[in-house]
Amino acid sequence: DAGVTQSPTHLIKTRGQQVTLRCSPKSGHDTVSWYQQALGQGPQFIFQYYEEEERQRGNFPDRFSGHQFPNYSSELNVNALLLGDSALYLCASLPRGLSNEKLFFGSGTQLSVL
Amino acid sequence: GQQLNQSPQSMFIQEGEDVSMNCTSSSIFNTWLWYKQDPGEGPVLLIALYKAGELTSNGRLTAQFGITRKDSFLNISASIPSDVGIYFCAGQTPGSSNTGKLIFGQGTTLQVKP
Repeated sequence: DAGVTQSPTHLIKTRGQQVTLRCSPKSGHDTVSWYQQALGQGPQFIFQYYEEEERQRGNFPDRFSGHQFPNYSSELNVNALLLGDSALYLCASLPRGLSNEKLFFGSGTQLSVL
Repeated sequence: GQQLNQSPQSMFIQEGEDVSMNCTSSSIFNTWLWYKQDPGEGPVLLIALYKAGELTSNGRLTAQFGITRKDSFLNISASIPSDVGIYFCAGQTPGSSNTGKLIFGQGTTLQVKP
């Protein structure tokens, strides 16, 4: 049983560019949450998707947007990249209705903005 | 926004020693979680705490939910080299139990000298 899979594992972009990160949830999970983890910090919640809509959002600007597909996979899009967007982006999945301690995290995408 | 203060920031100990780390919050949480993150991986849940005063063990790990609901600690007894990693506390606020949203501390980096 595959866990949460994220792609790509590493990515290098330049300021002003746009990036798309992808996530496939764990089998049987239908909600996806995205977190940003800056170097030396804990993960910060960006947003949660289920039923193909954004349901919860953390304190992130509109440059951060997402999408969820009918097969429950998800994309995180970041526009107009800033140097400060360099971070590990984690995807976590959860069966809808279950409590957050059941969140299962992927290994992340390491984004470097130059 | 809500913040968790986790301490110490890092620890370098001898194999066999006991370790203690803690988290404090300005807000009340209804769930406290402790995670471990290895390099290149996402956080993995170690212990979940659900009630004020609760003391829970998982092998050599013991964690407690503070009676004020604003703090928690994690103890590791008889440390071994594979305990090396970054330990995070995370809290869940009332009403957010299935939202995918956790608030993380800044992490404690543990190094164990054989």
